[in-house]
Amino acid sequence: NAGVTQTPKFRILKIGQSMTLQCAQDMNHNYMYWYRQDPGMGLKLIYYSVGAGITDKGEVPNGYNVSRSTTEDFPLRLELAAPSQTSVYFCASSYGLAEAFFGQGTRLTVV
Amino acid sequence: QQQVKQSPQSLIVQKGGISIINCAYENTAFDYFPWYQQFPGKGPALLIAIRPDVSEKKEGRFTISFNKSAKQFSLHIMDSQPGDSATYFCAASNQAGGYNKLIFGAGTRLAVHP
Repeated sequence: NAGVTQTPKFRILKIGQSMTLQCAQDMNHNYMYWYRQDPGMGLKLIYYSVGAGITDKGEVPNGYNVSRSTTEDFPLRLELAAPSQTSVYFCASSYGLAEAFFGQGTRLTVV
Repeated sequence: QQQVKQSPQSLIVQKGGISIINCAYENTAFDYFPWYQQFPGKGPALLIAIRPDVSEKKEGRFTISFNKSAKQFSLHIMDSQPGDSATYFCAASNQAGGYNKLIFGAGTRLAVHP
């Protein structure tokens, strides 16, 4: 099992551009999450999903969108990138309330 | 509003010493308190977790102490090793609501010197 796979690992965006961060898990987990990690701030929940077709906002959803069309995939969409979205993004998954497994992260810089 | 406050921000310990990281929470609905370990360039990984019905949980050299009345919990790393050098995050969530939305502390960067 690969676990949680995130692509790309690094990306530089210009202000106003858009992109999709990909996340895939092969553990048949029903719950998936997107977090962002800023220096000295811990991780903040952006969006989460408890199953295909079901998504909901976390602590910091503004500027982001998600979709969950399959159990395996949970892409995060950034529209009109802003410097404030410079961060490291982590996708995670869990089987219900069990341990959450994290991907290796995507480091995004908006210039 | 910072719902989970973690201290210290950084910690230096000699090999063989005890590392202690503290967290305090505000929301009394939290019922799951995990600690995550993160190495540079990697995602966080679950280290140990506790629920409020117990005051202490030990796994190897790692122990969580939990004080429900004070709304505080701490991670103790006994016999700290250079390989323990990493960033540690405490977290909390209200799983009774059927979700596992983790609220993280700001993190503690631990350096264990040989």
